[in-house]
Amino acid sequence: KNEVEQSPQNLTAQEGEFITINCSYSVGISALHWLQQHPGGGIVSLFMLSSGKKKHGRLIATINIQEKHSSLHITASHPRDSAVYICAVRNGSQGNLIFGKGTKLSVKP
Amino acid sequence: GAGVSQTPSNKVTEKGKYVELRCDPISGHTALYWYRQSLGQGPEFLIYFQGTGAADDSGLPNDRFFAVRPEGSVSTLKIQRTERGDSAVYLCASSPSGSLAEQYFGPGTRLTVT
Repeated sequence: KNEVEQSPQNLTAQEGEFITINCSYSVGISALHWLQQHPGGGIVSLFMLSSGKKKHGRLIATINIQEKHSSLHITASHPRDSAVYICAVRNGSQGNLIFGKGTKLSVKP
Repeated sequence: GAGVSQTPSNKVTEKGKYVELRCDPISGHTALYWYRQSLGQGPEFLIYFQGTGAADDSGLPNDRFFAVRPEGSVSTLKIQRTERGDSAVYLCASSPSGSLAEQYFGPGTRLTVT
């Protein structure tokens, strides 16, 4: 069983829809990251959070430490949001990240 | 300012050859990470540097893989006797410090072993 599990693996949405991507983890963490990866490989950090909720534009990330679960929400989705969204956790005091397999999002116009 | 850069962007090599992959982190970032991403998978941790020393090399798959960061800035990932299974995108990331700082990723080097 992977230490970081994401669902769904693939997601297709119509433009304007509200999107939720889920992440569950089984290890102790000091922080959780949501990352965006576009075709070609470039990875951009969207959020780093260790508690509660963060919002940036149309993106919202929440984390429940007790339940070891995080969600990434996209409001009013747009075709340019199409990418792979990756959840990654920072394991304890070390800096390296443990990644989920990613959720491939495709937003249709 | 400049982000993390990696060279080459693509590398094709024959099985058994030696390759070096370079990472230039953001200036002043003390922490540097190497990850490997196989097709359809999330990245996997390889090695983490804090300054010049490897703070954690537990992700290196075997002794054919080695990485250095002699002056605490540029890092080189070295792979000896490459195998087809080494084909992947090798990602480098840097951060201002190790533990709770955000990581900034480079564009990756796509390695193909034929």
